[in-house]
Amino acid sequence: DTGVSQDPRHKITKRGQNVTFRCDPISEHNRLYWYRQTLGQGPEFLTYFQNEAQLEKSRLLSDRFSAERPKGSFSTLEIQRTEQGDSAMYLCASSLGLVMNNEQFFGPGTRLTVL
Amino acid sequence: KNEVEQSPQNLTAQEGEFITINCSYSVGISALHWLQQHPGGGIVSLFMLSSGKKKHGRLIATINIQEKHSSLHITASHPRDSAVYICAVRGGATNKLIFGTGTLLAVQP
Repeated sequence: DTGVSQDPRHKITKRGQNVTFRCDPISEHNRLYWYRQTLGQGPEFLTYFQNEAQLEKSRLLSDRFSAERPKGSFSTLEIQRTEQGDSAMYLCASSLGLVMNNEQFFGPGTRLTVL
Repeated sequence: KNEVEQSPQNLTAQEGEFITINCSYSVGISALHWLQQHPGGGIVSLFMLSSGKKKHGRLIATINIQEKHSSLHITASHPRDSAVYICAVRGGATNKLIFGTGTLLAVQP
């Protein structure tokens, strides 16, 4: 257990439905990252927060995806009108942002299956 | 061409063998990470390197910045080492990680 938690661990939904995932980082970590991992591939960067500010978004993050970190603590990732191609593991990581090279700690991930 | 390439993609070893996994990257980096992922998804950080060599138990990681290459070595491999090993680099101007596709290691008893 790295101290980063994600909820739910598994989500099965029908195409077209909206889903929301939550990530709780390690409490003193001010940086939070979302990554997506499809089967047999390495994770890919989606977006990054420093405190409550969303500082970088990947072009993978289409307009159906939105992420928030309203109080600089937990974060949510919402996918609207899900598509089968959204099926993946969604990983959250956090780090202490005092120096550039601080280690990222990963949560267990949320596995999304879109039917 | 991916910015981070790993080899081999799959590796089967007998218990006790010395294992090497390689990682090459094509971008400027501020740090390189070796990560372990077990079935079910959880990722654990093994090493973070910006130069030289690090050792933790039976694991050794090296990096050659000039050649843009890193290796992860496992000595006296054990079936519990079976997992996916992922190399990831952190770009100098960003905080995000760029991942390789991983190496699936199976250590047979």
